[in-house]
Amino acid sequence: GENVEQHPSTLSVQEGDSAVIKCTYSDSASNYFPWYKQELGKGPQLIIDIRSNVGEKKDQRIAVTLNKTAKHFSLHITETQPEDSAVYFCAINTGFQKLVFGTGTRLLVSP
Amino acid sequence: GAVVSQHPSRVICKSGTSVKIECRSLDFQATTMFWYRQFPKQSLMLMATSNEGSKATYEQGVEKDKFLINHASLTLSTLTVTSAHPEDSSFYICSAREGVQGGGTGQPQHFGDGTRLSIL
Repeated sequence: GENVEQHPSTLSVQEGDSAVIKCTYSDSASNYFPWYKQELGKGPQLIIDIRSNVGEKKDQRIAVTLNKTAKHFSLHITETQPEDSAVYFCAINTGFQKLVFGTGTRLLVSP
Repeated sequence: GAVVSQHPSRVICKSGTSVKIECRSLDFQATTMFWYRQFPKQSLMLMATSNEGSKATYEQGVEKDKFLINHASLTLSTLTVTSAHPEDSSFYICSAREGVQGGGTGQPQHFGDGTRLSIL
């Protein structure tokens, strides 16, 4: 079945630094790649997404890059703030319109 | 926009009780909703896909008679955990997808805030 690998599993940065999380996938038919942020005790919140006809998308401090040939996509957070601390999940869509999630990255931003 | 409301947020009940969880899309119509289960420090595991007006599609290994799903309107899906036991204790999360059923690849899924179910 579809598989999504996500790295790193934990990431600690200082406030103001950049953070990068990478996901690789195996299903070449996937064409939608969202990123979610999950805070403790809450549901995942969609923070940015990208479709396969675009290589990069940016929204303020958050950007996503996609390399469809290499089957990987990355989340970039610049000028990190303590409130960015959370668990981040990447996901891909499948031929059945379902999402397959990565294993998650726990991001800790220290003041 | 794209708000999904899930209730209740927390349930504690005795073994053998049935528990119903509601998932509502507040400002958009969702012909397709999804139910996930999440164990501590793990990723989301899809349990079933709920389509308005038709039977839910369950993932392999999920007991359909244990986890009853009803999607009677374009804004409401319910998950009922029947005769719950301690091993059913978990964090259950629903999501609702924008767009029409079966149409449009890559339509965003928006999640509720989850229900923490604890069976004593």
